[in-house]
Amino acid sequence: KNQVEQSPQSLIILEGKNCTLQCNYTVSPFSNLRWYKQDTGRGPVSLTIMTFSENTKSNGRYTATLDADTKQSSLHITASQLSDSASYICVVSEYDYKLSFGAGTTVTVRA
Amino acid sequence: GAGVSQSPSNKVTEKGKDVELRCDPISGHTALYWYRQSLGQGLEFLIYFQGNSAPDKSGLPSDRFSAERTGGSVSTLTIQRTQQEDSAVYLCASSRDYGYTFGSGTRLTVV
Repeated sequence: KNQVEQSPQSLIILEGKNCTLQCNYTVSPFSNLRWYKQDTGRGPVSLTIMTFSENTKSNGRYTATLDADTKQSSLHITASQLSDSASYICVVSEYDYKLSFGAGTTVTVRA
Repeated sequence: GAGVSQSPSNKVTEKGKDVELRCDPISGHTALYWYRQSLGQGLEFLIYFQGNSAPDKSGLPSDRFSAERTGGSVSTLTIQRTQQEDSAVYLCASSRDYGYTFGSGTRLTVV
C-alpha cells in the first residue's frame, strides 16, 4: 500500500485562478516532506522541502503547508499560469535516503 | 555539469536483450539514487549509493537488475534479459545533504 496518497488525481483550472493539492501520508518516522514539479518528459524539480517543525514554506506562487500531527500537506498554487501545467508530486522522507513518492496530481492550466 | 545527466534519453530494445543505463551525478554529490516511474504510477525506489557502496538495494525488482557506481561518480543500471514489464522511465537523482536533484530520465521501451 502506498504510504503517500495525493488528491485529486488530476484537475483543470483556468489561467489566473488558484488551486490546492492535497497529500496525506502514513510514513513513520518522518524526516521531511517535499513537493516536486515534473514537466512532461523531464525529471522532477524541487519546489519546497519542510521538516516536521515547519508548517509552511513558500516558493514564489507555490505555498506548501504541513501538519505533522494529522500527517497532511497541501500545495497551493496562486494565480496559475500556463507554465504551471505539470504533475506535482508529494515526497515523504522516512530517513535521509528513503523516499516515498505519491502518484502525483496532474494540473492542466487553460487559457 | 550543472545537473544530473542521464543517457540515453530514450532506449527501445527487444525482449531478452540486455540494456545499460547511465547516470552522471552532480559533482560532489556523494549520494546517488535510481528510481523507476511506470506509466501512471509514482516513483519506485530501486537502489541507493553512498559513494561506491550500495547500503540499500532493496528496491531492485529481480536479479536481472544490477547497478554499480565507480569513482564515487558515474553509475550504471543494467537490466539483463529485458521483459516488457521493464518498460518505464528510469530516473537517477543525486544529493548532498537534503538537496536532491533528478535527471531527466531514460525512457526504456521493451518490444
